[in-house]
Amino acid sequence: EIVLTQSPGTLSLSPGERATLSCRASQTVSSNYLAWYQQRPDQAPRLLISGASSRATGIPDRFSGSGSGTDFTLTISRLEPEDFAVYYCQQYGSSPCTFGQGTKVEIK
Amino acid sequence: QVQLVQSGAEVKKPGASVRVSCKASGYTFTKCAIHWVRQAPGQGLEWMGWINPGNGNTRYSQKFQGRVTLTRDTSASTGYMELSSLRSEDTAVFYCARVCFGEPMEYWGQGTLVTVSS
Repeated sequence: EIVLTQSPGTLSLSPGERATLSCRASQTVSSNYLAWYQQRPDQAPRLLISGASSRATGIPDRFSGSGSGTDFTLTISRLEPEDFAVYYCQQYGSSPCTFGQGTKVEIK
Repeated sequence: QVQLVQSGAEVKKPGASVRVSCKASGYTFTKCAIHWVRQAPGQGLEWMGWINPGNGNTRYSQKFQGRVTLTRDTSASTGYMELSSLRSEDTAVFYCARVCFGEPMEYWGQGTLVTVSS
């Protein structure tokens, strides 16, 4: 199975700053089927990005995804207070689908 | 609008089984798979398996193979996840999510907390 490694584990930033989250796969992600999710405390995960770079419906344009093959990035251009949460990447191109261990974006 | 509504919290003793339901609405139930994901307290997301409601075919994570059973009732547009031989480490929130072909998990249930305690 494909192992996804996210870095850093925790990102301490201030509102208005730029956040850059990394997700590295142990093998090529088929068709760039790489998604990013946001999870706030006591809530279900929320889809942000599919296909490595396509924003899901209703997701603000400060969220962007990039990358291909084995290296992917989620960028939040200017952090809003509601963006402080945990972010997971997931590959859904190969079975079984797998998740990264998560990156927590916390207020500095 | 697409909605997945899960059953309520459960408390179970070690060795027991639990069944969690996931009722779908707002789309044709048989057109997309239902996946199940476990999240232990303070931990990440762990995929458990999926069911194709159209034909009942299932696929399970090796980690849960033999302990998890996914079923569906097409007349009720509801999927079910049964986990047996519960142990304390199974204490977690369980989520269902809809996955249409070639897409990620766009719609999620609200989660069901299962507590395993003697």
